Amino acid sequence: GDSVTQMEGPVTLSEEAFLTINCTYTATGYPSLFWYVQYPGEGLQLLLKATKADDKGSNKGFEATYRKETTSFHLEKGSVQVSDSAVYFCALSPYSSASKIIFGSGTRLSIRP
Amino acid sequence: GAGVSQSPSNKVTEKGKDVELRCDPISGHTALYWYRQSLGQGLEFLIYFQGNSAPDKSGLPSDRFSAERTGGSVSTLTIQRTQQEDSAVYLCASSLASGTGNIQYFGAGTRLSVL
Repeated sequence: GDSVTQMEGPVTLSEEAFLTINCTYTATGYPSLFWYVQYPGEGLQLLLKATKADDKGSNKGFEATYRKETTSFHLEKGSVQVSDSAVYFCALSPYSSASKIIFGSGTRLSIRP
Repeated sequence: GAGVSQSPSNKVTEKGKDVELRCDPISGHTALYWYRQSLGQGLEFLIYFQGNSAPDKSGLPSDRFSAERTGGSVSTLTIQRTQQEDSAVYLCASSLASGTGNIQYFGAGTRLSVL
């Protein structure tokens, strides 16, 4: 079945460092891809999305590009801030069931001042 | 309301008891979803409603789990004869309609602890 595999955490970086969180997926057809973020004590929020191959989603300085040839959707940010500390989930919505979201296991990110 | 509201925020129960978890979606959202977040299993889809009907309930783990939605609004997830493995955070989300073009907005969750 469809699945998402993402980089295991925790990831600890210094402020202003470059961030990459790897995410790959297995799916039939053309799923939509998402990154969700869960800040401490808060609910899940959509960070960015991409619905077709080569689309780039971006928000709050984060970017991810839908790469069908490598089945990847890696999350990047050029300069992280302490406020980016959170758990990040890569996710997909299957082509066959557009209402279900399948999540990766989550990556906890901590940024040191 | 302003966002998806879930109650209670925390629930502690004894093994074997029944529990009801409530979700109040964003006003006007026709689609509603339940997920479960647990240490061992990550975030799992449970069931999705479009209006009052549930086209996909494939994620419900057993027949002890059921959900309903009335009036196209509030939904209740019921777990009968709770077991310790049911301990998790139960998340509800809603969207304007179903489909990938519609963003799912999540509530803060109900943390269920089964003793």
